[in-house]
Amino acid sequence: DAGVIQSPRHEVTEMGQEVTLRCKPISGHNSLFWYRQTMMRGLELLIYFNNNVPIDDSGMPEDRFSAKMPNASFSTLKIQPSEPRDSAVYFCASSLGGIMNTEAFFGQGTRLTVV
Amino acid sequence: KQEVTQIPAALSVPEGENLVLNCSFTDSAIYNLQWFRQDPGKGLTSLLLIQSSQREQTSGRLNASLDKSSGRSTLYIAASQPGDSATYLCAVNSGYALNFGKGTSLLVTP
Repeated sequence: DAGVIQSPRHEVTEMGQEVTLRCKPISGHNSLFWYRQTMMRGLELLIYFNNNVPIDDSGMPEDRFSAKMPNASFSTLKIQPSEPRDSAVYFCASSLGGIMNTEAFFGQGTRLTVV
Repeated sequence: KQEVTQIPAALSVPEGENLVLNCSFTDSAIYNLQWFRQDPGKGLTSLLLIQSSQREQTSGRLNASLDKSSGRSTLYIAASQPGDSATYLCAVNSGYALNFGKGTSLLVTP
């Protein structure tokens, strides 16, 4: 298996533009997570999907952020409009059967820079 | 809210030394604990997963222990090598989400 695949790996955009990050989880995994990593705050959970349904989006910073999972093999995280403070590395992770007992696997991340 | 702390924040050791990285958490009601490695500019690589019912897990030169009642875990690295240089992250699962520590940045010098 190729693991969790994220695209793009790097994104540089201007303030106010829409940004879409993409994630393909490991085949057969039914839980998907979006995390954000910054120097100041470390890794923070943004949203958790189980069986394609958003279960907890309390970590989404504000309404500018939205996430979708239209099927078991694809998820997007969208920021509209983007702001410089959104600059961070965004990780997608997947696991099997909910994370309570199983190992989480992370993608390589998308490094977002908003100028 | 689960708080995860890792000490030390940074560590430099000469090659060949055995070392211990520490992780503490505030809520002992956990399902499991996972140790990750992160290389600069890279993603997270899972090293070891310890279930709440387990005391330790081993993989090669790595050994992770868990003392749930005291809210502590340690990652022991035997005979360290320069290739072990990376940031090591501890993550605690108290529900469905992992709560991460800030990590220990390890440098192993030749």
